[in-house]
Amino acid sequence: DAGVIQSPRHEVTEMGQEVTLRCKPISGHNSLFWYRQTMMRGLELLIYFNNNVPIDDSGMPEDRFSAKMPNASFSTLKIQPSEPRDSAVYFCASSLSRYKGDTQYFGPGTRLTVL
Amino acid sequence: DAKTTQPPSMDCAEGRAANLPCNHSTISGNEYVYWYRQIHSQGPQYIIHGLKNNETNEMASLIITEDRKSSTLILPHATLRDTAVYYCIVLSNTGNQFYFGTGTSLTVIP
Repeated sequence: DAGVIQSPRHEVTEMGQEVTLRCKPISGHNSLFWYRQTMMRGLELLIYFNNNVPIDDSGMPEDRFSAKMPNASFSTLKIQPSEPRDSAVYFCASSLSRYKGDTQYFGPGTRLTVL
Repeated sequence: DAKTTQPPSMDCAEGRAANLPCNHSTISGNEYVYWYRQIHSQGPQYIIHGLKNNETNEMASLIITEDRKSSTLILPHATLRDTAVYYCIVLSNTGNQFYFGTGTSLTVIP
């Protein structure tokens, strides 16, 4: 298995631009998670899907952030408009079961820089 | 979900056992102890988890005290590739948040 795949691995954009991060979970996994990691705040859960349905988006910082999972093999995290404070590494993770407590497998992350 | 306390950093000589402690004094009966690690610039990696009994896999051993208020992750023969930040997480099956905390930065010294 290729593991969780994220693209792009690096993204540099200017303030105000739209940014779309992509994730392909491990085949057969039912849950998908988006995290953000910064030096100041560490690793934070943004949103959690189960069977393609958003279950908990309480970690999404504001309306500029949105996430979709149109099918079991693809998810996007969109930031529109982007701001310099959105600069971070964004990780996608998937797990087999519907429970957050199940083992999560992380992708390599997307390093976002907003100038 | 219970929060955890870990030392911010530790050193370990290559080839020796690395023992990483974690306090989780408010843990509930249905909460598991999970350990992940994050090697620089990579995504977190699952290591091991347990509920009450000690656990061992090909990567590490997990020792949970009888009162479950603390645990220790043991890397039996640390290598330079084990240098990473190690996170102890306590979570129930239906937990609402997966708090990684600040973890322990382990440096394996040649």
